[in-house]
Amino acid sequence: DVVMTQTPVSLSVSLGGQVSISCRSSQSLVHNNGNTYLSWYLQKPGQSPQLLIYKVSNRFSGISDRFSGSGSGTDFTLKISRVEPDDLGVYYCGQGTQYPPTFGGGTKLELK
Amino acid sequence: EVQLVESGGGLVQPGSSLKLSCVASGFTFSSYNMHWIRQAPKKGLEWIALIYYDSSNKYYADSVKGRFTISRDNSKNTLYLEMNSLRSEDTAMYYCAKFGTTGFDYWGQGVMVTVSS
Repeated sequence: DVVMTQTPVSLSVSLGGQVSISCRSSQSLVHNNGNTYLSWYLQKPGQSPQLLIYKVSNRFSGISDRFSGSGSGTDFTLKISRVEPDDLGVYYCGQGTQYPPTFGGGTKLELK
Repeated sequence: EVQLVESGGGLVQPGSSLKLSCVASGFTFSSYNMHWIRQAPKKGLEWIALIYYDSSNKYYADSVKGRFTISRDNSKNTLYLEMNSLRSEDTAMYYCAKFGTTGFDYWGQGVMVTVSS
């Protein structure tokens, strides 16, 4: 299985600040079809996860442009700018290139 | 509006069985592959099962293979997860999730399964 490693485990940020979360995969996430199926999800307290970013850098419907994804191969980054209270929760990266789908361990974003 | 609503969870004893349901609305259920993903208390996300849109293929995580069965009824827009020989380590919130070209784009609210004597 592809192992997804996220860093840091937790992050403190001031409102209005910017943060970056790293996600590294144990194998390349480039699919035979040329796509890279790396997604980012946010799980707010008491809620189910929601899709933020798909295929590395594409924002899902309704997601603010304060969220941006980048990376390639095995190294990926999620950046959140101008952090708002509603951004707090646990962020997960996930891959769908190889079965089974796997997720990182999560990064908890908290207020400083 | 896409909605996925799970039900059927509860507190059960080790070795027993339980069947979860997930009713879908707001999209053409019969056109999409569907998944079950679980999250143990205070833990991360674990994918456990996939069923193709037409039930032609089913895949399972090693942790549940041989004990859990995923199925669907497209006439009822409903996804199922039959769980047998439940263990304490199966205690988790269980989510059904729609998988589009974008990834796991919609998730249900989750249903809690607790396995304890």
